[in-house]
Amino acid sequence: NAGVTQTPKFQVLKTGQSMTLQCAQDMNHEYMSWYRQDPGMGLRLIHYSVGAGITDQGEVPNGYNVSRSTTEDFPLRLLSAAPSQTSVYFCASSYSGVGGEKLFFGSGTQLSVL
Amino acid sequence: AQKITQTQPGMFVQEKEAVTLDCTYDTSDPSYGLFWYKQPSSGEMIFLIYQGSYDQQNATEGRYSLNFQKARKSANLVISASQLGDSAMYFCAMREVNSGGSNYKLTFGKGTLLTVNP
Repeated sequence: NAGVTQTPKFQVLKTGQSMTLQCAQDMNHEYMSWYRQDPGMGLRLIHYSVGAGITDQGEVPNGYNVSRSTTEDFPLRLLSAAPSQTSVYFCASSYSGVGGEKLFFGSGTQLSVL
Repeated sequence: AQKITQTQPGMFVQEKEAVTLDCTYDTSDPSYGLFWYKQPSSGEMIFLIYQGSYDQQNATEGRYSLNFQKARKSANLVISASQLGDSAMYFCAMREVNSGGSNYKLTFGKGTLLTVNP
């Protein structure tokens, strides 16, 4: 049961560097999303996708890009890292069915931008 | 205005006692969903319970139950028979159907840190 797999778990970047956070799910969920968690702020939505080829912005999209070429994968790209992007990032996938809705999170990526 | 409000930054409970974590929400959509998540010190987000706005009965999952009071817009989490392993941060979240024309955009509260004392 892989569920939602996020890599890497930890990353340190220098200001201006770019990188991609990987997210994959094996549950055939249509909906995937990226959140960031900052102290005292709860989780905030960065980008989300309702299916392959469809993405949209969330609450805090600036500085991030996403794409969804397959149902399974939803990578998050930091174009030019800034210290304000130091955070813990969570990928999630979700479904709605009998028994209600569930949203499953990956294990998180702790990112530090120096 | 905040969509999800958790007014208790921290809560303490004795082992084996019940505890209620408060959550109020704000939405004008008739169809929405409410979630509770647990985040232990290890950092992962663990799904606990879900309540749909049209569900007639309060949701229950083992020792977790959701006290859903629709008219008051509250969705409090009740943990019965607390265990030491329940010590964690707890987040309430709401999914609105029509938010931006898509589902599964969750808005989270700021969380309540629960400490279970032996």
